[in-house]
Amino acid sequence: RKEVEQDPGPFNVPEGATVAFNCTYSNSASQSFFWYRQDCRKEPKLLMSVYSSGNEDGRFTAQLNRASQYISLLIRDSKLSDSATYLCVVNMDNAGNMLTFGGGTRLMVKP
Amino acid sequence: EPEVTQTPSHQVTQMGQEVILRCVPISNHLYFYWYRQILGQKVEFLVSFYNNEISEKSEIFDDQFSVERPDGSNFTLKIRSTKLEDSAMYFCASTGGRSYNEQFFGPGTRLTVL
Repeated sequence: RKEVEQDPGPFNVPEGATVAFNCTYSNSASQSFFWYRQDCRKEPKLLMSVYSSGNEDGRFTAQLNRASQYISLLIRDSKLSDSATYLCVVNMDNAGNMLTFGGGTRLMVKP
Repeated sequence: EPEVTQTPSHQVTQMGQEVILRCVPISNHLYFYWYRQILGQKVEFLVSFYNNEISEKSEIFDDQFSVERPDGSNFTLKIRSTKLEDSAMYFCASTGGRSYNEQFFGPGTRLTVL
């Protein structure tokens, strides 16, 4: 069974903190990796794609370790508005471009 | 910024009834998808659609489900005879252009089957 696993949390952090989320995926042939953000009862919104070399977008840094089948997301200087569920998402099958979602990690940033 | 839109935002139906969920993908996108999310659970893939045919479908997408692109803008999901367990949030997504791999999701239709 093709799976994406995440720690569900919640992670409760103060404003300004640095927080890291991890994710593992089961299919070593997976090609594309993403972090999405989902607010309560809303649609998933693409936060960033994850590249083998690692990539950064402002306060967000994503890393991919293909050998360990592991993806991470680091958020620096957390804001109240970062409170959401962060979804690790993998395209395990490029033929149909189907996305496999993890269960999400909930982040609560407190004042 | 272009967005995927979906209608209705909430649909309530009786078990056994047919429902059609509608989506307007981003205009220059060529690949379309339906996903669902049962309350409190993971987002699950249903079907992908390209060049007027299904590219891939999951085990969930059985004979009760069908998709159609009836014109140049709409993409629909039909459930022929709804069951209680079809109650979920249904998300449409699209991708294409330069960011082929990046799927953009609509706001969803909440389907409640009574």
